[in-house]
Amino acid sequence: GDSVTQMEGPVTLSEEAFLTINCTYTATGYPSLFWYVQYPGEGLQLLLKATKADDKGSNKGFEATYRKETTSFHLEKGSVQVSDSAVYFCALLDTGTASKLTFGTGTRLQVTL
Amino acid sequence: GAGVSQSPRYKVTKRGQDVALRCDPISGHVSLYWYRQALGQGPEFLTYFNYEAQQDKSGLPNDRFSAERPEGSISTLTIQRTEQRDSAMYRCASSSVPNRGSGGYTFGSGTRLTVV
Repeated sequence: GDSVTQMEGPVTLSEEAFLTINCTYTATGYPSLFWYVQYPGEGLQLLLKATKADDKGSNKGFEATYRKETTSFHLEKGSVQVSDSAVYFCALLDTGTASKLTFGTGTRLQVTL
Repeated sequence: GAGVSQSPRYKVTKRGQDVALRCDPISGHVSLYWYRQALGQGPEFLTYFNYEAQQDKSGLPNDRFSAERPEGSISTLTIQRTEQRDSAMYRCASSSVPNRGSGGYTFGSGTRLTVV
């Protein structure tokens, strides 16, 4: 079945540092891929997405590229801010019904001054 | 409404009691999804609806769990004879087009269920 593996956290960075959160997946076919973010005390929000190989999703300075050859969708940001502190979830959409999301376990990011 | 609304926000119940969790999707959204998220884990799919029809309930853990969406809008997830292992955050999401989750869902804030 479909699965998503993300790097374990917590990840602690100083403000303005470069961020990478690794995500790899196992799925049949070519699923759509997503990053969701959960800020403290809030619900899950869609951060970015990519629907086909080599697509780059981007939002709020975050980027992730759909790499078919390595089945990866790593999240990157060039310069993190304290306000980016949150839990980040990588997810894929099943290629059958295009309705079920499979999530990774989440990576907590803490950014300090 | 403006967003996906879930109620109650927090629910504490005694083991063996039944609970009903409510989800009010974004107005006009035809697809509605339920997920469960244990502490420290990612959300796991439970079930989803297109309009009032339940399309897939393969993620419901056992027959104590059921869901309905009788008028194609508000949905209720019911857990009968609750057990401590049912304690989790229950999340609801909706999307505007059926089977087109490629746009991403809009999630509600969730209901934190604690069974004591």
